[in-house]
Amino acid sequence: GQNIDQPTEMTATEGAIVQINCTYQTSGFNGLFWYQQHAGEAPTFLSYNVLDGLEEKGRFSSFLSRSKGYSYLLLKELQMKDSASYLCAVRARLTGGGNKLTFGTGTQLKVEL
Amino acid sequence: GAGVSQTPSNKVTEKGKYVELRCDPISGHTALYWYRQSLGQGPEFLIYFQGTGAADDSGLPNDRFFAVRPEGSVSTLKIQRTERGDSAVYLCASSLSRDNTGELFFGEGSRLTVL
Repeated sequence: GQNIDQPTEMTATEGAIVQINCTYQTSGFNGLFWYQQHAGEAPTFLSYNVLDGLEEKGRFSSFLSRSKGYSYLLLKELQMKDSASYLCAVRARLTGGGNKLTFGTGTQLKVEL
Repeated sequence: GAGVSQTPSNKVTEKGKYVELRCDPISGHTALYWYRQSLGQGPEFLIYFQGTGAADDSGLPNDRFFAVRPEGSVSTLKIQRTERGDSAVYLCASSLSRDNTGELFFGEGSRLTVL
């Protein structure tokens, strides 16, 4: 099975930087995703890592260490609209082919003035 | 279509009734997933289709839940003898193929309330 752990809640100030951590245990690892979900809306894709290192995309960056089973999402220059739930999701290969994406419980980020 | 479409957006039913939730994925997407999300939780995996076949149905909670995708496009999630604990948002997502980066595109969900 898979086990994904991330903090339940975080609070940060507008304009600041925040790092959301995710640790996981899985077999057949085939990539780690971060999704953003605003209240009452569907999750939307933010980033994808399959190799170790940092992927940068504008104000958002994501880091992966496969040996440590660890990832983080870094949000810079925080804006009020960044208040949302951030979901860490791990993809694993299925023995019969294809992939399965399993989500963590999400980190609720609140951005304050 | 332009995005993943789910109907109905809201469904209120009584305990013991039968419910069908429909998902129309993005045209050409071969992989289709159903997830269930309760308030304050992440999406919980239910079932994954690659084409017409269920590649992994290990997330279906019990035999009251069943899903089909007969022509490899539209999928229907069927819940028999609904219980109050089935109340949740049911999310459908699709992706282009089994070997791409795997980005899932989600629909807006079907909110099921069992009274």
